Amino acid sequence: AQSVTQLDSQVPVFEEAPVELRCNYSSSVSVYLFWYVQYPNQGLQLLLKYLSGSTLVKGINGFEAEFNKSQTSFHLRKPSVHISDTAEYFCAVSEGYSTLTFGKGTMLLVSP
Amino acid sequence: GAVVSQHPSWVICKSGTSVKIECRSLDFQATTMFWYRQFPKQSLMLMATSNEGSKATYEQGVEKDKFLINHASLTLSTLTVTSAHPEDSSFYICSAREGGALETQYFGPGTRLLVL
Repeated sequence: AQSVTQLDSQVPVFEEAPVELRCNYSSSVSVYLFWYVQYPNQGLQLLLKYLSGSTLVKGINGFEAEFNKSQTSFHLRKPSVHISDTAEYFCAVSEGYSTLTFGKGTMLLVSP
Repeated sequence: GAVVSQHPSWVICKSGTSVKIECRSLDFQATTMFWYRQFPKQSLMLMATSNEGSKATYEQGVEKDKFLINHASLTLSTLTVTSAHPEDSSFYICSAREGGALETQYFGPGTRLLVL
């Protein structure tokens, strides 16, 4: 069975600093990986996804993530964050044609 | 981009009543729709998957008689919480997908249910 671990429940960071949100997964087969962002009282918005091909995936709002199969990781990064990036970030995994399994989320708190 | 709406955005009801939540794909046809439940500061838990015109597939532990799902058209799915109780209070989120499993799921803004 697939599972997702987001080790950090909260990540505080100052504006314009770089950030990395960690995501590890477990699966016995090939997976598809996703990062979603949830702003307060809103639904989830897709940031980026990895299906195949290049392991470095670029998404919206300047975010990128790198798929590392040997470390079963899909960490999300941004070189310089803005106040508006404050939100909950969810990593999710899908095995083939199965449904999405979400991690518990990481709250990114950007301070001026 | 693809837009998914939910109605109502929030609802308060008395214990024992039923509540219906609508999920609509506004600019695409959703062959598959998903219903999730999210507790405060926790992740989304998949409740059920529904394909247009067929019965929903419920996840383990989700009572199908309690959470009735109807996916009557390619743009509308409804979730009815029957005989709601305070423990059913939660944030319910739907998502919709146009094609196969590799297609993106687009999420609605969610419906906050409070049962008194």
